Amino acid sequence: EPEVTQTPSHQVTQMGQEVILRCVPISNHLYFYWYRQILGQKVEFLVSFYNNEISEKSEIFDDQFSVERPDGSNFTLKIRSTKLEDSAMYFCAGTGLGGELFFGEGSRLTVL
Amino acid sequence: EDKVVQSPLSLVVHEGDTVTLNCSYEVTNFRSLLWYKQEKKAPTFLFMLTSSGIEKKSGRLSSILDKKELFSILNITATQTGDSAIYLCAVESVDSSYKLIFGSGTRLLVRP
Repeated sequence: EPEVTQTPSHQVTQMGQEVILRCVPISNHLYFYWYRQILGQKVEFLVSFYNNEISEKSEIFDDQFSVERPDGSNFTLKIRSTKLEDSAMYFCAGTGLGGELFFGEGSRLTVL
Repeated sequence: EDKVVQSPLSLVVHEGDTVTLNCSYEVTNFRSLLWYKQEKKAPTFLFMLTSSGIEKKSGRLSSILDKKELFSILNITATQTGDSAIYLCAVESVDSSYKLIFGSGTRLLVRP
């Protein structure tokens, strides 16, 4: 079964550093997403991406965040200057033809 | 404000028991309700329900949606230790491009 793959699985960074999280969605997915889950809390929507542009973003997705699909396959989330509160599991997801959302295994970000 | 409330927050049962997990929601222009199982990392898709009263079933798991009363239940019969996980309920609005609003989840522990 095709999977959404994410790298890295875990990244540790210093506060203020830039971080790029990468995702390879399933090829026939049309919409792509980033969600995050702070330890012990709900899964939260960050941003949706369709046809090479942001479709919708949440209040969390401020100017420190950006998304790109530079080469038509990888889908990236960049955090320009990380804060302690950015520590979370970040999930990439894609939407199947039936509208179901399929998640990648996640990238755990730890900001020190 | 759109919201999803799951109950109970946690549940401990013995193998072979049947469990019922609850999800109530408030969302503008409801499109669908989804159930996910989260073990160690990524939420794994279980069911998507869009029509009221229709039961979705997969093996020992089944789910029903009541659009009039704004809730859904997830049933697991003959539970096994491998069913131990957090079960997440999420809803989607027609107004948003497949953006999901998640509940806090129900943590299920199945003891041998």
